Amino acid sequence: AQSVTQLGSHVSVSEGALVLLRCNYSSSVPPYLFWYVQYPNQGLQLLLKYTTGATLVKGINGFEAEFKKSETSFHLTKPSAHMSDAAEYFCAVHTTSGTYKYIFGTGTRLKVLA
Amino acid sequence: GAVVSQHPSRVICKSGTSVKIECRSLDFQATTMFWYRQFPKKSLMLMATSNEGSKATYEQGVEKDKFLINHASLTLSTLTVTSAHPEDSSFYICSATVIGGPGANVLTFGAGSRLTVL
Repeated sequence: AQSVTQLGSHVSVSEGALVLLRCNYSSSVPPYLFWYVQYPNQGLQLLLKYTTGATLVKGINGFEAEFKKSETSFHLTKPSAHMSDAAEYFCAVHTTSGTYKYIFGTGTRLKVLA
Repeated sequence: GAVVSQHPSRVICKSGTSVKIECRSLDFQATTMFWYRQFPKKSLMLMATSNEGSKATYEQGVEKDKFLINHASLTLSTLTVTSAHPEDSSFYICSATVIGGPGANVLTFGAGSRLTVL
């Protein structure tokens, strides 16, 4: 069975500082990994995804994430936080083994301090 | 890019009434749609998987008779909350994906529907 763990339900960073949101997964088959962002009262928007190939993936708004199989991690980073990055971020795992279900982490709320 | 439209964005209803929420894929054919429920400050809970032309597959603990899902076409799925009660108040989000092809494995989400049952 697949699962996703996001460490830290709340993360605060200063504007201009590095953003690091942690995600660890468990999967018995090669996973597809995703990061989604959710702004208040809105649906989720895809930030980036890893399926196969290059393990460092770049997404929208300057975010990137690196798939590390040995660490079963897919942490999200951004070199310099902007006020507009304040939102809820969800890591998700999905495999092609049968059901196409996506498993979401519990989310990390990012707060950006001026 | 792929767009999923969800309507209504907000709905308030009286206890005992039924509410229908629509989820449409605007520029692609969605072979599979998913309905999620999100509680305040919580992650998304998958309610059911809806495949066009067949019955929805409900997750354990989700009442099929309360949450009716219909996926009559490749671009439309509906969720009907029947005989709604205050505990059904929540944020419901649909998402869609294509099985196979360039858009496969990526979920596109609707903007969500906030249901308040008085």
